[in-house]
Amino acid sequence: NAGVTQTPKFQVLKTGQSMTLQCAQDMNHEYMSWYRQDPGMGLRLIHYSVGAGITDQGEVPNGYNVSRSTTEDFPLRLLSAAPSQTSVYFCASSSLDGISGANVLTFGAGSRLTVL
Amino acid sequence: GQNIDQPTEMTATEGAIVQINCTYQTSGFNGLFWYQQHAGEAPTFLSYNVLDGLEEKGRFSSFLSRSKGYSYLLLKELQMKDSASYLCAVKDSNYQLIWGAGTKLIIKP
Repeated sequence: NAGVTQTPKFQVLKTGQSMTLQCAQDMNHEYMSWYRQDPGMGLRLIHYSVGAGITDQGEVPNGYNVSRSTTEDFPLRLLSAAPSQTSVYFCASSSLDGISGANVLTFGAGSRLTVL
Repeated sequence: GQNIDQPTEMTATEGAIVQINCTYQTSGFNGLFWYQQHAGEAPTFLSYNVLDGLEEKGRFSSFLSRSKGYSYLLLKELQMKDSASYLCAVKDSNYQLIWGAGTKLIIKP
């Protein structure tokens, strides 16, 4: 099993450019999410989805869009990149077997984005 | 507000034991997770506690006290490969994960 696949691993953008970070999972997980990780801070949730056609905002959604047209894919779009969006982005998924239970997140390898 | 506190960095010696503490203040509690993250890699799951007490998994153990808002991760027989960051995360009343900034563990020979 591939697990969670994220592309690209590295990207450099100029301010104002747009791009899409791709995320795909092959574990039939209902729950998918995007986090950003910045030095000295905990992982921060950007957007998440509990199933195809359903998305919701996390803690830091501004400047990002998502869609969930299939169970497998959950792309993250940066609409107009800003230097404050320089970060490492992780896609993560889990099952929803008993939402109050130990639904372990499986993370992708991460995408390191630099906005100049 | 919601808060997870962990030490920023710890140093330990190969073969020794180290305890990494995590204190939390969250709106509700639906479980506490520990993840390991090697530099430049993704976090991977280590342990989950929802009831008070100690959970043991090989060289790693995790303890929870809900009344004190406190957990620790205990690593025994440290190996060089245990050099990593250890992330504490609490699932709040909305079943969302609140993450600590992580503890960077440095193992010296």
